Amino acid sequence: QSVLTQPPSVSAAPGQRVTMSCSGSNSNIGNNYVSWYQQLPGAAPKLLIYDNDKRPSGIPDRFSGSKSGTSATLGITGLQTGDEADYYCGTWDSSLSAGVFGGGTKLTVL
Amino acid sequence: QLQLQESGPGLQKPSETLSLTCTVSGGSITRGNYFWAWIRQAPGKGLEWIGSIYYTGSTYYNPSLKSRVTISVDTSNSHFSLDLTSVTAADTALYYCARHYNRRTGDDTFDIWGRGTMVTVSS
Repeated sequence: QSVLTQPPSVSAAPGQRVTMSCSGSNSNIGNNYVSWYQQLPGAAPKLLIYDNDKRPSGIPDRFSGSKSGTSATLGITGLQTGDEADYYCGTWDSSLSAGVFGGGTKLTVL
Repeated sequence: QLQLQESGPGLQKPSETLSLTCTVSGGSITRGNYFWAWIRQAPGKGLEWIGSIYYTGSTYYNPSLKSRVTISVDTSNSHFSLDLTSVTAADTALYYCARHYNRRTGDDTFDIWGRGTMVTVSS
């Protein structure tokens, strides 16, 4: 069981907008920064969002992140079939002194 | 451009020690604020952080694996390594090494990943 909680799956049509959540506690999301990772089928995870809402160079602005309290949200606009992937949230847990991830959300673009 | 490459045996017998190495190229392993991490993914499952090491040798380990894990670093040869003792079938996974950027307390990101190496534990 993961320390962070993500819905197992979300789906939306091409061109639409989708959001996915990541829920934690004060020892992790509540007091630390959240990152999001995209894992395309058969590939290694790739950093998508860091510091709750910042995009690394090369990540399109269709991807956005936000955080409120002990939850974080990843948003994707203008969905493309190439966005079909597993998405993971991650952060540091200060009580565990450990990196923690959510269980991942599988995005299906219908 | 910094790259990470995992290497090690793909098959381990139960009770053996799993040993993997991650070679860092295209950048410095001794750069400040950067740790070096091992993360694994069991088949069909999510990501599990195993531990991280700083170039000075300072380490953090996943509490659930701490008794079996040792991560070490060789700055002269720009690589870091994972040893996991007493493996069982539950340790079968794709093992990734990653660069762990720690900007400040509580601000941690795994910003560059290797391609991963599959380790199967079976007799």
